[in-house]
Amino acid sequence: DIQLTQSPSFLSASVGDRVTITCRASQGISSYLAWYQQKPGKAPKLLIYAASTLQSGVPSRFSGSGSGTEFTLTISSLQPEDFATYYCQQLNSYPPLTFGGGTKVEIK
Amino acid sequence: QVQLVQSGAEVKKPGASVKVSCKVSGYTLTELSMHWVRQAPGKGLEWMGGFDPEDGETIYAQKFQGRVTMTEDTSTDTAYMELSSLRSEDTAVYYCATDLLPAGSDYWGQGTLVTVSS
Repeated sequence: DIQLTQSPSFLSASVGDRVTITCRASQGISSYLAWYQQKPGKAPKLLIYAASTLQSGVPSRFSGSGSGTEFTLTISSLQPEDFATYYCQQLNSYPPLTFGGGTKVEIK
Repeated sequence: QVQLVQSGAEVKKPGASVKVSCKVSGYTLTELSMHWVRQAPGKGLEWMGGFDPEDGETIYAQKFQGRVTMTEDTSTDTAYMELSSLRSEDTAVYYCATDLLPAGSDYWGQGTLVTVSS
């Protein structure tokens, strides 16, 4: 199974900050990586697919990069509605389709 | 626009089974590939299984093999996930999601809380 390690697992940031979350895969997954945002009590929302393609309707302050085993999600200027938990998911090798452990972004 | 509406919360005793439904609207179930993901309280997302359009088969995470069955009723556009031999660790919110493969999905149900407690 491919393991995804997200870092950090928790971060505290202020509105307007630039935030970067890393997702490392235990084996190469090409660009078969998606990023989700999840708020409490809600289903995940797709932000980025194919490692760097912005899902329709997602603000351009979100961006994704990487391929192979190392990926990043960047929020260029954190907004109040961005405080949430973020997950990466690999879709290259399955079963299983694995998720990272999550990164909780909280207000400083 | 795909909409997924799941069945309501369930409380089950250890050893019992639960069957969660996911009603599709906006598309027919035959046009979609349904997957199931769960989330234990305060924990991360865990993929349980789903339809692989490349192989044309339903695939399951090994962790759930033998305990989970995913079925579809195309006459009502409803997908089902049945989990048997429930234990307390199965307490979680269960989500259906369409077309996770190959790039992730923006179409998820609202989630169904299954509580396993004696």
